[in-house]
Amino acid sequence: EDKVVQSPLSLVVHEGDTVTLNCSYEVTNFRSLLWYKQEKKAPTFLFMLTSSGIEKKSGRLSSILDKKELSSILNITATQTGDSAIYLCAVEVGGGSEKLVFGKGTKLTVNP
Amino acid sequence: DGGITQSPKYLFRKEGQNVTLSCEQNLNHDAMYWYRQDPGQGLRLIYYSQIVNDFQKGDIAEGYSVSREKKESFPLTVTSAQKNPTAFYLCASSKRGSTGELFFGEGSRLTVL
Repeated sequence: EDKVVQSPLSLVVHEGDTVTLNCSYEVTNFRSLLWYKQEKKAPTFLFMLTSSGIEKKSGRLSSILDKKELSSILNITATQTGDSAIYLCAVEVGGGSEKLVFGKGTKLTVNP
Repeated sequence: DGGITQSPKYLFRKEGQNVTLSCEQNLNHDAMYWYRQDPGQGLRLIYYSQIVNDFQKGDIAEGYSVSREKKESFPLTVTSAQKNPTAFYLCASSKRGSTGELFFGEGSRLTVL
Protein backbone atom coordinates (compact mmCIF):
# COMPACT_ATOMS: atom_id res chain seq x y z
CA GLU A 1 0.00 0.00 0.00
CA ASP A 2 1.32 3.43 -0.95
CA LYS A 3 2.07 5.57 2.09
CA VAL A 4 3.18 9.15 2.82
CA VAL A 5 4.17 10.16 6.35
CA GLN A 6 4.70 13.73 7.52
CA SER A 7 6.36 14.94 10.69
CA PRO A 8 5.80 16.67 12.93
CA LEU A 9 2.01 16.69 12.79
CA SER A 10 1.88 19.98 14.62
CA LEU A 11 4.40 22.74 15.25
CA VAL A 12 4.22 26.09 17.08
CA VAL A 13 6.94 28.67 16.53
CA HIS A 14 7.57 32.39 16.98
CA GLU A 15 7.82 34.85 14.14
CA GLY A 16 11.32 34.91 12.75
CA ASP A 17 12.07 31.26 13.50
CA THR A 18 13.16 28.82 10.80
CA VAL A 19 11.21 25.59 10.48
CA THR A 20 11.80 22.30 8.70
CA LEU A 21 8.92 20.03 7.79
CA ASN A 22 9.54 16.41 6.87
CA CYS A 23 7.91 14.02 4.45
CA SER A 24 8.78 10.38 3.83
CA TYR A 25 7.15 7.99 1.42
CA GLU A 26 6.81 4.36 0.42
CA VAL A 27 5.17 3.98 -2.98
CA THR A 28 5.40 1.45 -5.76
CA ASN A 29 5.71 3.76 -8.74
CA PHE A 30 7.09 7.18 -7.83
CA ARG A 31 6.69 10.02 -10.29
CA SER A 32 7.01 13.19 -8.24
CA LEU A 33 6.59 14.70 -4.80
CA LEU A 34 4.54 17.80 -4.18
CA TRP A 35 3.99 20.29 -1.40
CA TYR A 36 0.76 22.20 -0.87
CA LYS A 37 -0.25 24.91 1.59
CA GLN A 38 -3.77 24.87 3.04
CA GLU A 39 -4.61 28.06 4.87
CA LYS A 40 -8.35 27.88 5.18
CA LYS A 41 -10.05 25.69 2.65
CA ALA A 42 -8.45 25.20 -0.76
CA PRO A 43 -4.90 23.81 -0.79
CA THR A 44 -2.57 25.75 -3.06
CA PHE A 45 0.40 24.33 -4.90
CA LEU A 46 3.90 25.16 -3.66
CA PHE A 47 6.46 22.84 -5.26
CA MET A 48 6.84 19.78 -7.43
CA LEU A 49 10.04 17.77 -7.03
CA THR A 50 11.15 15.03 -9.37
CA SER A 51 14.94 14.97 -9.18
CA SER A 52 17.02 14.21 -6.13
CA GLY A 53 19.22 16.93 -4.66
CA ILE A 54 17.87 19.86 -6.65
CA GLU A 55 16.47 22.57 -4.40
CA LYS A 56 13.36 24.44 -5.40
CA LYS A 57 12.96 27.89 -3.91
CA SER A 58 10.22 30.46 -3.70
CA GLY A 59 10.92 33.42 -1.49
CA ARG A 60 11.44 32.18 2.07
CA LEU A 61 10.29 28.66 1.20
CA SER A 62 12.52 25.96 -0.19
CA SER A 63 12.28 22.22 -0.68
CA ILE A 64 14.50 19.35 -1.68
CA LEU A 65 13.98 15.69 -2.51
CA ASP A 66 16.18 12.77 -1.47
CA LYS A 67 15.21 9.73 -3.53
CA LYS A 68 17.74 7.53 -1.79
CA GLU A 69 16.18 8.24 1.59
CA LEU A 70 12.65 8.41 0.10
CA SER A 71 12.05 11.75 1.73
CA SER A 72 11.72 15.46 1.28
CA ILE A 73 11.97 18.52 3.48
CA LEU A 74 10.24 21.87 3.27
CA ASN A 75 12.11 24.77 4.88
CA ILE A 76 10.59 28.09 5.82
CA THR A 77 12.99 30.80 6.96
CA ALA A 78 12.11 33.98 8.90
CA THR A 79 8.57 32.72 9.49
CA GLN A 80 5.67 35.16 9.53
CA THR A 81 2.15 34.80 10.96
CA GLY A 82 0.91 34.45 7.40
CA ASP A 83 2.82 31.18 7.13
CA SER A 84 0.38 29.61 9.61
CA ALA A 85 -1.31 26.81 7.69
CA ILE A 86 -1.44 23.10 7.15
CA TYR A 87 1.36 21.96 4.86
CA LEU A 88 0.49 18.88 2.85
CA CYS A 89 2.97 16.55 1.21
CA ALA A 90 1.77 14.34 -1.62
CA VAL A 91 3.39 11.80 -3.89
CA GLU A 92 2.28 11.31 -7.46
CA VAL A 93 2.17 7.63 -8.35
CA GLY A 94 2.06 6.25 -11.85
CA GLY A 95 1.74 2.80 -13.31
CA GLY A 96 -1.67 3.26 -14.86
CA SER A 97 -3.49 4.83 -11.94
CA GLU A 98 -2.03 8.30 -11.96
CA LYS A 99 -3.04 9.91 -8.70
CA LEU A 100 -1.73 11.67 -5.62
CA VAL A 101 -1.28 10.04 -2.23
CA PHE A 102 -1.35 12.61 0.57
CA GLY A 103 0.21 12.64 4.01
CA LYS A 104 -1.76 13.82 7.04
CA GLY A 105 -0.21 17.25 6.92
CA THR A 106 1.79 19.39 9.33
CA LYS A 107 -0.14 22.13 11.09
CA LEU A 108 2.18 25.10 11.52
CA THR A 109 1.26 27.92 13.88
CA VAL A 110 3.43 31.04 13.86
CA ASN A 111 2.88 33.29 16.85
CA PRO A 112 3.78 36.99 16.82
CA ASP B 1 -11.27 34.24 -13.95
CA GLY B 2 -10.65 30.54 -14.37
CA GLY B 3 -11.19 28.27 -11.44
CA ILE B 4 -13.13 25.54 -9.72
CA THR B 5 -16.49 26.20 -8.12
CA GLN B 6 -17.95 23.90 -5.52
CA SER B 7 -21.44 24.16 -4.15
CA PRO B 8 -22.93 24.25 -1.68
CA LYS B 9 -20.25 25.43 0.76
CA TYR B 10 -22.17 24.06 3.73
CA LEU B 11 -24.78 21.32 3.71
CA PHE B 12 -26.76 19.58 6.41
CA ARG B 13 -28.36 16.24 5.78
CA LYS B 14 -30.48 13.85 7.73
CA GLU B 15 -29.38 10.28 8.05
CA GLY B 16 -30.63 8.13 5.23
CA GLN B 17 -30.71 10.91 2.65
CA ASN B 18 -28.59 11.09 -0.47
CA VAL B 19 -26.91 14.41 -1.24
CA THR B 20 -25.10 15.66 -4.35
CA LEU B 21 -22.13 18.03 -4.24
CA SER B 22 -21.47 20.08 -7.32
CA CYS B 23 -18.05 20.73 -8.87
CA GLU B 24 -17.60 22.87 -12.00
CA GLN B 25 -14.33 23.99 -13.60
CA ASN B 26 -13.61 26.40 -16.44
CA LEU B 27 -9.87 25.67 -16.66
CA ASN B 28 -10.34 23.28 -19.58
CA HIS B 29 -8.69 20.55 -17.53
CA ASP B 30 -9.19 16.94 -18.51
CA ALA B 31 -8.81 15.33 -15.10
CA MET B 32 -11.00 15.90 -12.06
CA TYR B 33 -10.86 14.48 -8.55
CA TRP B 34 -12.85 14.25 -5.35
CA TYR B 35 -11.09 14.13 -1.99
CA ARG B 36 -12.37 13.82 1.53
CA GLN B 37 -10.60 15.55 4.45
CA ASP B 38 -11.27 14.69 8.10
CA PRO B 39 -9.70 16.56 11.05
CA GLY B 40 -6.09 15.54 11.52
CA GLN B 41 -6.16 13.50 8.33
CA GLY B 42 -4.71 14.13 4.95
CA LEU B 43 -6.74 14.14 1.79
CA ARG B 44 -8.16 10.77 0.82
CA LEU B 45 -9.16 10.10 -2.78
CA ILE B 46 -12.78 9.14 -3.38
CA TYR B 47 -13.10 9.10 -7.18
CA TYR B 48 -11.22 10.52 -10.13
CA SER B 49 -11.85 10.99 -13.81
CA GLN B 50 -9.23 11.53 -16.48
CA ILE B 51 -11.64 11.92 -19.37
CA VAL B 52 -15.31 12.51 -20.06
CA ASN B 53 -17.56 9.47 -19.54
CA ASP B 54 -14.87 7.61 -17.62
CA PHE B 55 -13.99 7.53 -13.92
CA GLN B 56 -12.18 5.30 -11.46
CA LYS B 57 -12.61 4.50 -7.81
CA GLY B 58 -10.12 5.95 -5.39
CA ASP B 59 -9.16 4.61 -1.99
CA ILE B 60 -12.49 5.26 -0.22
CA ALA B 61 -15.18 5.00 -2.91
CA GLU B 62 -17.70 2.95 -0.92
CA GLY B 63 -20.91 4.87 -0.33
CA TYR B 64 -20.16 7.47 -3.02
CA SER B 65 -21.01 7.78 -6.71
CA VAL B 66 -19.96 10.17 -9.47
CA SER B 67 -20.66 10.98 -13.10
CA ARG B 68 -18.63 12.76 -15.78
CA GLU B 69 -21.00 13.65 -18.59
CA LYS B 70 -19.30 16.95 -19.37
CA LYS B 71 -15.68 17.99 -19.22
CA GLU B 72 -16.50 20.90 -16.93
CA SER B 73 -18.56 19.02 -14.36
CA PHE B 74 -17.88 16.20 -11.89
CA PRO B 75 -20.68 15.91 -9.31
CA LEU B 76 -20.32 13.66 -6.27
CA THR B 77 -23.28 11.93 -4.64
CA VAL B 78 -22.94 10.90 -1.03
CA THR B 79 -25.37 8.05 -0.60
CA SER B 80 -27.06 6.71 2.49
CA ALA B 81 -24.68 3.76 2.30
CA GLN B 82 -21.78 5.98 3.37
CA LYS B 83 -21.46 5.18 7.06
CA ASN B 84 -19.67 8.31 8.19
CA PRO B 85 -20.36 11.06 5.68
CA THR B 86 -19.71 14.11 7.88
CA ALA B 87 -16.54 15.60 6.40
CA PHE B 88 -14.98 18.33 4.29
CA TYR B 89 -15.07 17.49 0.57
CA LEU B 90 -12.61 18.96 -1.91
CA CYS B 91 -12.84 18.84 -5.67
CA ALA B 92 -9.75 19.34 -7.81
CA SER B 93 -8.69 19.32 -11.43
CA SER B 94 -5.47 19.01 -13.38
CA LYS B 95 -4.19 19.26 -16.93
CA ARG B 96 -3.71 16.09 -18.94
CA GLY B 97 -0.33 14.59 -18.07
CA SER B 98 0.11 16.86 -15.06
CA THR B 99 -1.52 14.85 -12.33
CA GLY B 100 0.65 16.38 -9.65
CA GLU B 101 -0.32 20.01 -9.87
CA LEU B 102 -3.91 20.09 -8.72
CA PHE B 103 -6.16 23.11 -8.62
CA PHE B 104 -8.66 22.91 -5.78
CA GLY B 105 -12.09 24.31 -5.16
CA GLU B 106 -13.01 25.94 -1.86
CA GLY B 107 -14.64 22.78 -0.56
CA SER B 108 -18.03 21.66 0.71
CA ARG B 109 -18.60 20.87 4.36
CA LEU B 110 -21.23 18.19 4.85
CA THR B 111 -22.78 17.56 8.25
CA VAL B 112 -25.12 14.67 8.86
CA LEU B 113 -27.58 15.28 11.68
